[in-house]
Amino acid sequence: GAGVSQSPSNKVTEKGKDVELRCDPISGHTALYWYRQSLGQGLEFLIYFQGNSAPDKSGLPSDRFSAERTGGSVSTLTIQRTQQEDSAVYLCASSLVYRGVYGYTFGSGTRLTVV
Amino acid sequence: ELKVEQNPLFLSMQEGKNYTIYCNYSTTSDRLYWYRQDPGKSLESLFVLLSNGAVKQEGRLMASLDTKARLSTLHITAAVHDLSATYFCAVDRSGTYKYIFGTGTRLKVLA
Repeated sequence: GAGVSQSPSNKVTEKGKDVELRCDPISGHTALYWYRQSLGQGLEFLIYFQGNSAPDKSGLPSDRFSAERTGGSVSTLTIQRTQQEDSAVYLCASSLVYRGVYGYTFGSGTRLTVV
Repeated sequence: ELKVEQNPLFLSMQEGKNYTIYCNYSTTSDRLYWYRQDPGKSLESLFVLLSNGAVKQEGRLMASLDTKARLSTLHITAAVHDLSATYFCAVDRSGTYKYIFGTGTRLKVLA
């Protein structure tokens, strides 16, 4: 596609429920990243995928968070047993080369609200 | 641990004025990026600075990088209302692939 596509754009869920957030990167981009942006805050790194290499999960805040990337393209971020502190905008980005020489291209984000 | 600090965090300025946003980072980095974010929107890439002394300009914005001082600046010339947004710098630490973002500078240009 022309850009990074994320769905849903908004998600309201009850505390304790599981949610799945989807990211469709730009075709041909080998690197995919998930970041989290809490209200009025900067961006917090969550996880990074590069080609067929093992993902860097070092930014995932707890074992309730997991992500996968199927076929080197679409990625799903799953949050189990959601908590109110999980409320944030979850941003996905992709880049052409792993060091992102030309910078990331961000999706429009999924705004998650846990009530 | 790589830390990226921006200042000021908030900036309110009159149209037509000049101002500079500063981005300091704590460890060696090859690359520095500037992004713009409008309220409720995603991040838009502004500049990619790849080497010491790099300077890039687009319209009323000019970004520079001093890797020895571990400092980047984003200079705004003759501000206009349309520049109102939050500006983030991000650093790609040498040998890694993760961006570490600054806290952002929320700019408001008053007519």
